Amino acid sequence: DAKTTQPPSMDCAEGRAANLPCNHSTISGNEYVYWYRQIHSQGPQYIIHGLKNNETNEMASLIITEDRKSSTLILPHATLRDTAVYYCIVLNYGGSQGNLIFGKGTKLSVKP
Amino acid sequence: NAGVTQTPKFQVLKTGQSMTLQCAQDMNHEYMSWYRQDPGMGLRLIHYSVGAGITDQGEVPNGYNVSRSTTEDFPLRLLSAAPSQTSVYFCASNDLSGGAYNEQFFGPGTRLTVL
Repeated sequence: DAKTTQPPSMDCAEGRAANLPCNHSTISGNEYVYWYRQIHSQGPQYIIHGLKNNETNEMASLIITEDRKSSTLILPHATLRDTAVYYCIVLNYGGSQGNLIFGKGTKLSVKP
Repeated sequence: NAGVTQTPKFQVLKTGQSMTLQCAQDMNHEYMSWYRQDPGMGLRLIHYSVGAGITDQGEVPNGYNVSRSTTEDFPLRLLSAAPSQTSVYFCASNDLSGGAYNEQFFGPGTRLTVL
């Protein structure tokens, strides 16, 4: 599975959009990009995933560049409850059978 | 659905003691796994299972045993606890049907301290 690079920390004002970047320059054609978050030492929570098209759900949007070497998770209107560590993970189910490889993620602090 | 449940929530052991961390899920998921998370670090995979009777090692399996006798349960056994196993342990499950590109559900964690 390809490795990912994320900034260690980011701040965002409450009510503004939070844009979390992720680099995955060695991603291969059959690998998906997943985002999870972990709020205050709770179990990680799935947010969204995508292959090459942009994706949106009730929690967030995922923008993947055309060359698929990077992506951005967008929380459109961040709240204090979105303060968490966000993990970007590249996954090839065919080889890993679902095993997630977590890096250190980005610690997002949403401030009033 | 209760989702993924873990017991106990907290545990303190002495070096050399053994214990079993329990994990159960009521979603009929084929895939279950155990991760550990040390302070300031991401989660690391210990063991995983893709169905009853099938288990395999992850990134950090030494010192841990698992078995999968039922779809619902996936206990993690510490054979002889060591201070290096002080960590937070998370269990997760996933529905592998339909192409396997599904979210993993995580339990609330077990906080283990080995003295």
